Amino acid sequence: EPEVTQTPSHQVTQMGQEVILRCVPISNHLYFYWYRQILGQKVEFLVSFYNNEISEKSEIFDDQFSVERPDGSNFTLKIRSTKLEDSAMYFCASTLSRQETQYFGPGTRLLVL
Amino acid sequence: DQQVKQNSPSLSVQEGRISILNCDYTNSMFDYFLWYKKYPAEGPTFLISISSIKDKNEDGRFTVFLNKSAKHLSLHIVPSQPGDSAVYFCAASAGAGNMLTFGGGTRLMVKP
Repeated sequence: EPEVTQTPSHQVTQMGQEVILRCVPISNHLYFYWYRQILGQKVEFLVSFYNNEISEKSEIFDDQFSVERPDGSNFTLKIRSTKLEDSAMYFCASTLSRQETQYFGPGTRLLVL
Repeated sequence: DQQVKQNSPSLSVQEGRISILNCDYTNSMFDYFLWYKKYPAEGPTFLISISSIKDKNEDGRFTVFLNKSAKHLSLHIVPSQPGDSAVYFCAASAGAGNMLTFGGGTRLMVKP
C-alpha cells in the first residue's frame, strides 16, 4: 500500500541552525501538509501546499518556516534559524484531492539544543 | 485553542467489549470529522471519517456517530482487541482537505 515517507526519522541540531525536513508524499497526491506535535501537546497544523503554492498556513508558520516542492516527489519544510521551542515531531501528510482523507507519514523527531 | 476536545485522556476496556471514545467540538464551521489511531514513534493512521451530512458511518469494527446539535462525535470499536491499544485522535476540518484541527487524544488500553 502506498505510504508517505519522511526523512530523517530523528534530527538533533543546535539553536540557530537551519534544518530541512523531507517528505515523499504518496505519488499521485496533489495536496501536501505539515503538522507538528510538541511533546505532551496536540497535533497542530502548520501549512498546506497545492499547485506549488501555500494554500493555507497557521500563525505558527512564521517567516522562519518555508516549504518547497523541489521536484516531482519531495516536499520539504525548512526552518531557517531553529529555536528551542521548535523541538517537536513534524508530520507530513498528503491527499489526492480536497475531498479525500489526509494520510500521514511516520514523522521526524526534531530536537533543538 | 480548544476547538476540538477529547475529555478522557485514557480508557481501559476488556478484550471483546465495546470501546467508546468521545470528542466534542465548538466550531460550527467544521463539517468533516476523522478519527486517527497513533502508536508511539509513528504517524497518525487514518481509521474512519464522517461528513456532516451523515450521522453514522461504519467500517468493520469501527463506527463513528455524529450529533451535530450537540457538537459531539464518538467512535465505537466492537469488539475491542488488544491490538487496538493506541492513542486515538479525533480531528475536524471545515471542508474535507482543509487543515485539520486535532483533539488531545485518548489512550485506549484493551486488556486481554
